[in-house]
Amino acid sequence: AAGVIQSPRHLIKEKRETATLKCYPIPRHDTVYWYQQGPGQDPQFLISFYEKMQSDKGSIPDRFSAQQFSDYHSELNMSSLELGDSALYFCASSLPRDNSYEQYFGPGTRLTVT
Amino acid sequence: QKEVEQNSGPLSVPEGAIASLNCTYSDRVSQSFFWYRQYSGKSPELIMSIYSNGDKEDGRFTAQLNKASQYVSLLIRDSQPSDSATYLCAVPPAGGTSYGKLTFGQGTILTVHP
Repeated sequence: AAGVIQSPRHLIKEKRETATLKCYPIPRHDTVYWYQQGPGQDPQFLISFYEKMQSDKGSIPDRFSAQQFSDYHSELNMSSLELGDSALYFCASSLPRDNSYEQYFGPGTRLTVT
Repeated sequence: QKEVEQNSGPLSVPEGAIASLNCTYSDRVSQSFFWYRQYSGKSPELIMSIYSNGDKEDGRFTAQLNKASQYVSLLIRDSQPSDSATYLCAVPPAGGTSYGKLTFGQGTILTVHP
């Protein structure tokens, strides 16, 4: 079965640089979620999109922005990177509004800021 | 108080034993509950979903939900070394405009030793 695809899988950036992470949801999934997971921490919700509209916003820094495109893929743009942004970034997707909210996670992007 | 709390770990059990993982949540009207398994450096993998009071069994896994006590648990029977991972309890919001973003517990590290 098709899974969530994320690219790149690993990314190394320097402070103050920008980064773009991409997420391709499972086919027919219309909702995309972004999570950040620091070392030894549980995943923290950043932002979500439903039908290309932002549906919820969590603890996402103002330096970050995201959007969902017409093909339902999503991109997370991160600017003015800081050392503390080093983390695993997961994208998850869910089925159309069936109220189950079962989310399936992609393999993640490991971002290292030096 | 954290919205979703898991029993403190780490938890170590011998191979073949039953591992019991517990989770409490604060939102009394929550309707959906998930257990994810996460291997080190990998993404969370959905292993159980439960929506109604009582037990739900899937292979060696049993989820138990008690909404009155705001408590959900995961039992792993015949534990195997390959079950060694971090187990995350996750709860979406009960309603409003927060479309399914997950709040995770802090995770319980399970080690199954031969």
